[in-house]
Amino acid sequence: GENVEQHPSTLSVQEGDSAVIKCTYSDSASNYFPWYKQELGKRPQLIIDIRSNVGEKKDQRIAVTLNKTAKHFSLHITETQPEDSAVYFCAASSNTNAGKSTFGDGTTLTVKP
Amino acid sequence: EADIYQTPRYLVIGTGKKITLECSQTMGHDKMYWYQQDPGMELHLIHYSYGVNSTEKGDLSSESTVSRIRTEHFPLTLESARPSHTSQYLCASSRKYEQYFGPGTRLTVT
Repeated sequence: GENVEQHPSTLSVQEGDSAVIKCTYSDSASNYFPWYKQELGKRPQLIIDIRSNVGEKKDQRIAVTLNKTAKHFSLHITETQPEDSAVYFCAASSNTNAGKSTFGDGTTLTVKP
Repeated sequence: EADIYQTPRYLVIGTGKKITLECSQTMGHDKMYWYQQDPGMELHLIHYSYGVNSTEKGDLSSESTVSRIRTEHFPLTLESARPSHTSQYLCASSRKYEQYFGPGTRLTVT
């Protein structure tokens, strides 16, 4: 089955700096890669996703890149703000798995004011 | 408003009790999931369903069972709760890939 590894497990940055979280996956059939943000005490929520026919996608201060050959994808947050502090999860899904997502172990991002 | 609901939100019970955690969604999604998550930690898939009368065990070994008699309802049952079951349980649903999570049930077994 699919295996998703996520690094780093914790990340601390100064407000205004950029943050990068990286994930690798094992199943070459995976074709959908979402990122979820979970604030303290809240439910995970989708913040951005990318499909395998696209190499990069951007939404304001967040962007995701995908390298299908290397089987890795990354989340980039620019101009970080304290409200970006949360746990971020990457995931991978494929049609062969009927859309069931395999999640990474999460990255705790702390943005220091 | 279309959403996914979980009850109860908090539950404290004694060892050996049978409990059912409720999950309902009004989004018309066929796929539903149960995850176990300690605060801020990994999401462990314990059960999933692709539609009515379809249920599968997830990656985490669990002593729980689920049923899917109606599209909108996906309850999780623990026949005999143990302290090791103390955790947060998140329900989710999806149409295809993007998952929508419920607010969770925080379970404490004493």
